Amino acid sequence: GAVVSQHPSRVICKSGTSVKIECRSLDFQATTMFWYRQFPKQSLMLMATSNEGSKATYEQGVEKDKFLINHASLTLSTLTVTSAHPEDSSFYICSAEGLTYNEQFFGPGTRLTVL
Amino acid sequence: QQQVKQSPQSLIVQKGGISIINCAYENTAFDYFPWYQQFPGKGPALLIAIRPDVSEKKEGRFTISFNKSAKQFSLHIMDSQPGDSATYFCAASIANAGNMLTFGGGTRLMVKP
Repeated sequence: GAVVSQHPSRVICKSGTSVKIECRSLDFQATTMFWYRQFPKQSLMLMATSNEGSKATYEQGVEKDKFLINHASLTLSTLTVTSAHPEDSSFYICSAEGLTYNEQFFGPGTRLTVL
Repeated sequence: QQQVKQSPQSLIVQKGGISIINCAYENTAFDYFPWYQQFPGKGPALLIAIRPDVSEKKEGRFTISFNKSAKQFSLHIMDSQPGDSATYFCAASIANAGNMLTFGGGTRLMVKP
């Protein structure tokens, strides 16, 4: 099956700093990548959808200037949380979809804690 | 607006029993209905999925039942095992609309030994 990795798996940062999370499709080319946010004991909420080489499409209520998404290649997408605050602490999960797979494959998630 | 409603929120089943989780959707344009299993601190993993042209799909101990007229689908876990204890999410998407998944609220399943 297709494998999606995320790095780092967990990160702790101080309030006001920026944090970059990487999402990689390891054995397939991801034409579309999705970024989700999950609070404890809650469901996954889609933040944005990105296609390689184009600007991300953000869901309503998601600040595009705060959550910068770059999908520079067919195997890598990054999410940068700018000027992070404690309320940004959450579990961030990416997923990827490719031409050969008609489904999304999820990464293992990144636990962000902002102090 | 929650387009996919999932119940129950939590479920306790004895080992060997049947776990049943239900989902109802509103958007009749949905044409792909996957179920995901998520362990604490991990990303969700696809368990089984169904398209509306069939009413049931079985893979091992996992079965999806789909009722298009009622806009409902359910996951049945036969012979539930303690290792099945996890959170289960149903989801729905439209293939020709970017395949964006709309998730249900999740069900925390505990299988007691």
